[in-house]
Amino acid sequence: QVQLQESGPGLVKPSQTLSLTCIVSGDSVSSGRYFWTWIRQPAGKALEWIGRINLSGTTNYNPSLKSRATISVDTSKNQFSLRLSSVTAADTAVYYCARAILTSPLPYYYYMDVWGRGSTVSVSS
Amino acid sequence: EIVLTQSPGTLSLYPGERATLSCTTSQSVSSAYLAWYQQKPGQAPRLLIAGASSRATGIPDRFSASGSGTEFTLTISSLEPEDFAVYYCQNYGSSLVTFGGGTKVEIK
Repeated sequence: QVQLQESGPGLVKPSQTLSLTCIVSGDSVSSGRYFWTWIRQPAGKALEWIGRINLSGTTNYNPSLKSRATISVDTSKNQFSLRLSSVTAADTAVYYCARAILTSPLPYYYYMDVWGRGSTVSVSS
Repeated sequence: EIVLTQSPGTLSLYPGERATLSCTTSQSVSSAYLAWYQQKPGQAPRLLIAGASSRATGIPDRFSASGSGTEFTLTISSLEPEDFAVYYCQNYGSSLVTFGGGTKVEIK
C-alpha cells in the first residue's frame, strides 16, 4: 500500500523559506510512471496546485507562485521536497503531497491517486 | 490558464436525494484530463473519477460523471450520509493542473 507523509515545520516567519518533505513508502520515487506533486489549501478555500517533478527531474510549477517554488527529489531517501521562498501570510495553508499519474497507453488520463494527510504551515512572526 | 468554475457553490439536499454538480471550463478541454475528488473535513481529497467518467477503484456506482468540451457533471444518484462533503473538479493541460473552487454538498 502506497503511503505519503509530509513533514516540516509548522511555523515559518515572513520572508523566510518554507521547506517540506514528503516521505514515500510502498512505492519508489524512481518509478517513471508518476509525477510527485505538491498541492496546498488555505483554510476554508479551494485546492491550489503548486507543482510537480518526475523521475527525470523535470519540474512544472503554478505560474501564480512567480518562481518562488522549487521541487526536488531524493531517490536515495525515497522522498521529494518543496521549498517556497519569500513567504507571506498568504502562504499559510495545509500542504499536501500527492502522486500523480499520466496513464498509458491510451486513453491518457491524468489524476492524483494517492495523497498525504497534509501538513499545516502557518506564516507568522 | 484554463479556469474551472463549479456550481452551485453549496448544494443542500436530504439523504437519498440526487445530487448534480457542475464544472465548467473557460475553454474546451480533453475529457481524458478531467477528474473529480471528494474531500471531507480534516481529510485529504480522495479521487472519485478520472477521465471525466471512469470511477476510481472502490468508488460506489452511485457516483457517475459525464461531459465534454467545457461542461462536465458529477452525479450522485442517491446521497448516503457519508457523501456529504466538498467536491472538486481538476483539469490537466500544458503540463499544468488547475482545480475548481469546489461544491459543498450539505445535509438539508
